[in-house]
Amino acid sequence: EIVMTQSPATLSVSPGERATLSCRASQSVSSNLAWYQQKPGQAPRLLIYGASTRATGIPARFSGSGSGTEFTLTISSLQSEDFAVYYCQQYNNWYTFGQGTKLEIK
Amino acid sequence: QVQLVQSGAEVKKPGASVKVSCKASGYTFTSYDINWVRQATGQGLEWMGWMNPNSGNTGYAQKFQGRVTMTRNTSISTAYMELSSLRSEDTAVYYCARQSPAGTVDYWGQGTLVTVSS
Repeated sequence: EIVMTQSPATLSVSPGERATLSCRASQSVSSNLAWYQQKPGQAPRLLIYGASTRATGIPARFSGSGSGTEFTLTISSLQSEDFAVYYCQQYNNWYTFGQGTKLEIK
Repeated sequence: QVQLVQSGAEVKKPGASVKVSCKASGYTFTSYDINWVRQATGQGLEWMGWMNPNSGNTGYAQKFQGRVTMTRNTSISTAYMELSSLRSEDTAVYYCARQSPAGTVDYWGQGTLVTVSS
């Protein structure tokens, strides 16, 4: 099983600032990497797939990068609605999710 | 618009089984795989398995092999996930999710809370 490790567990950032979230795979997943946003009481929402392609309707302030085993989600200028939990997911070999990064207001 | 509507919350005793339904609309049900993911309270996302609604083929995460069964009824565009031999650790919100052509999941159901308690 491919293990996905996200860091940090919690990230405190002020509105308007940039947030950078990391995800590492235990073995190469090529570019088969997605990012999701989840708010309390809601299902996850797909943000990024293919490591860097924004899903339909996702604002341009969200960007993804990386390939192989190291990936990054960047939110360029945080809005109030962006404070949530973010998960990475590999879909190169079945599916596995990271444990999540909680993005909180500083 | 694509929608996945799941059945309501369930309370089960240890050792029992639960069957959660997921009704699809807004697209051709047999054209996209359905995945099931669960989330215990305050915890992360855990993938359980997938099903091809056209063929009925399935693939289950090793952790759930022998306890989970995924089926479908194409006449009513509905997928089902049945989990048996329930224990307290199975208390979680269970989601169905449509697999996109890119390989990840793009649409999710609203979730079904399954509580296992004596």
